[in-house]
Parts: sequence; C-alpha cells; structure tokens
Amino acid sequence: GDSVTQMEGPVTLSEEAFLTINCTYTATGYPSLFWYVQYPGEGLQLLLKATKADDKGSNKGFEATYRKETTSFHLEKGSVQVSDSAVYFCALSEGSGTSYGKLTFGQGTILTVHP
Amino acid sequence: ETGVTQTPRHLVMGMTNKKSLKCEQHLGHNAMYWYKQSAKKPLELMFVYNFKEQTENNSVPSRFSPECPNSSHLFLHLHTLQPEDSALYLCASSLGAGDSKETQYFGPGTRLLVL
Repeated sequence: GDSVTQMEGPVTLSEEAFLTINCTYTATGYPSLFWYVQYPGEGLQLLLKATKADDKGSNKGFEATYRKETTSFHLEKGSVQVSDSAVYFCALSEGSGTSYGKLTFGQGTILTVHP
Repeated sequence: ETGVTQTPRHLVMGMTNKKSLKCEQHLGHNAMYWYKQSAKKPLELMFVYNFKEQTENNSVPSRFSPECPNSSHLFLHLHTLQPEDSALYLCASSLGAGDSKETQYFGPGTRLLVL
C-alpha cells in the first residue's frame, strides 16, 4: 500500500537558519504530494502541493519539488522564523476511481525555531 | 480560517457516555472526512462522505458512528468509548472525492479525553 516516511524529529533551529525536512513515499501510481502544517492548537493547513513529476510547490518561502526518480518531496526554506515553529506533515493522494482522494500522511516533524 | 468549523473544541467523557462531534463546512464542498490524530502516530482516515454518501469506512469500530445529513454537515456519534480513543479528531472537506489533486481543508479539531 501507499506510505509516506518523514525524517525523525524534533528539529530545532536558530532563526534565519536553512531548513530541510525529508520526505519519501511509496505509491503504486502517480500520486499528488502535499505538505501540511499544524500550528499549536489548530488543525492542519495546506502549505504547498505538487501534482506531477518535476513540479515545484511553493508558499511563504517554503519549497518542495516532486522527484519521481527518487520518490521524494523534501521541504526546504532558506531562512526560518520563530513563527514557523509547528508540526509539518508530508502526505500523498493516490488518484483513482476507487481511492476517493485518500490522503496518506507521514508521522509529522516537529520544528522549533529559537530567536 | 473559518471555512471548516468543529464543535466542541474540547470534550471529556466517561466510557459509558454518549456524545456527538459536529463539523460544518462553509466552502461549498461535496466531500467530508473524519480523521483521528493520536500522539506519535500518523493521521488515520476514519470515514469519507461524498455527496452525503459514505464511501469509505477504514475499519473503524462500531462505537464510532458517522452521520452526514447534507454536504455541509458531518457528525461523529460516540458511545461506550475506550481510553485509547482519546485523541484529536479532525474533520476535513474537499470539493469532491476521487481526484488526487484535490486539497482537503481541515477544521481545528476536537480534543477528546475518555476517562
């Protein structure tokens, strides 16, 4: 079945540091890939997505490129801020008539950014 | 973000109680979802409704009973729960189900504690 593997956390960085959170996936077809973010006490918000190979999703300074050859969708940001502290989830959606848009999530990576 | 609302935000119940969680979406979507988020585990899809019809039951115990009276409202009826059912229950909606490119929009969740 489909699966998503994220790098183990928690990740602790200083403000303005470079961020990478690794995500790899296993899927039988051609999934869409997503990064969601969950701030303390809130639900999940879509951060970015990519729907086909070599697509780059970007939002709020975050980027991720859909790499089919390495089955990866790593999240990057050049300069993190304290306000980026949250839990980040990588997810895939396998598209087919019977999958009904099911999202498969990674386990989440806790990011803490210190001033 | 007020597109998907959930009530109550927090709930404490005994194992013999009956309670209901409510979700409402104001986005004009046709698909709604229930997820369970437990500590140190990936988000688990519980149920999917598409145009008010249940299209997915992810082997959820019968003590959880969903109801979708219309495309804007989704309920999760709870009865004789166990302490291990304590978790954050998240509702989500999307324009439709079955398209891998669809973004799911999440509510803030209901934090449930079963004593």
